[in-house]
Amino acid sequence: IVMTQSPDTLSVSPGERATLFCRASQSVSNNLAWYQQKPGQAPRLLLYAASTRASGIPAKFSGSGSGTEFTLTISSLQSEDFALYYCQQYKNWPYTFGQGTKLEIK
Amino acid sequence: QVQLVQSGAEVKKPGASVRVSCKASGYTLNGFYMHWVRQAPGQGLEWMGRINPHSGGTNYAQKFQGRVAMTRDTSINTAYMDLSSLRSDDTAVYYCARDLYSEGWFDAWGQGTLVTVSA
Repeated sequence: IVMTQSPDTLSVSPGERATLFCRASQSVSNNLAWYQQKPGQAPRLLLYAASTRASGIPAKFSGSGSGTEFTLTISSLQSEDFALYYCQQYKNWPYTFGQGTKLEIK
Repeated sequence: QVQLVQSGAEVKKPGASVRVSCKASGYTLNGFYMHWVRQAPGQGLEWMGRINPHSGGTNYAQKFQGRVAMTRDTSINTAYMDLSSLRSDDTAVYYCARDLYSEGWFDAWGQGTLVTVSA
């Protein structure tokens, strides 16, 4: 299953909201996770089952979608939110990730 | 707290093999699948496979079949990933990642191990 994220780069001002998209080449139901990765660090789980926040993840991160279209929304952007974001399907092996969206400061 | 600590960076020649270890603390390795994910420099994430530490059973991405072996030593709470016949395009950071509910998403990650393959 090919996962395609858009856009590749998103420029947003601090305090505003960012919306990131992820599309699957075939239905993955709600078997979709989102991760945040900062330079030199391992990915960090944000959401699983498309919309369930992982432990310790603030409510500013929210997810939606099912089937082939998914969205990650980050509200009230702060400096620490500017990072790379990946979606991942775990419906079928091999599990696959999107190419990532870089969220940068505008 | 849950922690996965990986072995240090490696430099290997083409054709060689590498072993990366992943020591779990704060929980029992037996209880949760462990996956391995790699990331080539400046690239995205690639799933390699998983091991059930309780049974030792493994599932590998077809791309790595025949070259990868995932094992574990539950007595020391450590998982291992062996990759053989290394090529230059195997140069990457290799991560171990815990699968909390055996569903395929990863709630805890190791810090990563850089494997460089160069003549």
